[in-house]
Amino acid sequence: QKEVEQNSGPLSVPEGAIASLNCTYSDRGSQSFFWYRQYSGKSPELIMSIYSNGDKEDGRFTAQLNKASQYVSLLIRDSQPSDSATYLCAVPFSGGYNKLIFGAGTRLAVHP
Amino acid sequence: GAVVSQHPSWVICKSGTSVKIECRSLDFQATTMFWYRQFPKKSLMLMATSNEGSKATYEQGVEKDKFLINHASLTLSTLTVTSAHPEDSSFYICSARSGGGNTEAFFGQGTRLTVV
Repeated sequence: QKEVEQNSGPLSVPEGAIASLNCTYSDRGSQSFFWYRQYSGKSPELIMSIYSNGDKEDGRFTAQLNKASQYVSLLIRDSQPSDSATYLCAVPFSGGYNKLIFGAGTRLAVHP
Repeated sequence: GAVVSQHPSWVICKSGTSVKIECRSLDFQATTMFWYRQFPKKSLMLMATSNEGSKATYEQGVEKDKFLINHASLTLSTLTVTSAHPEDSSFYICSARSGGGNTEAFFGQGTRLTVV
């Protein structure tokens, strides 16, 4: 069974804090990992991609990947109320068309 | 990022009719397109994966005769919901990928289908 697991939340953080979102995946052959943000009633938008072990930073966002542990995370620094959304972890599973499988998403609420 | 346009953004139809949803990649050639369905407060459920010029690969439990997918060109895929029923009401979202299996996929705006 190919799976992507996320804590559904909600994760509540105060404005200005660091929000930490976690994701585990089952396919050891997966080579790339994506974080999408989805506002209520809207479609997902890509915010980060990561391919190598370690950290990747883009503005206030940092993605962390540990392939040995099959674990990928997203850190949001200086969280803002506008960051309140559902964050989806997505992994293309090896084999076939590398179909993109999503986790259930973690709902983040940033309160002033 | 790349732009994917999905049309219509919302549609209301009567039970028993068919609805076609279009997904276009505007500034890149989409080798692979995905169709998802999402119920309120739930995650995206992959319905099918389509590659240009090939038959779509449907996920287990998705009726291929009910959800017809055509990926006739590198910039256009369509999903037709045939003989729609109220239980087909949902948010349908397409995404498109330009490169190989490990490249990013970009999403259309989604189509909210209501069957009455």
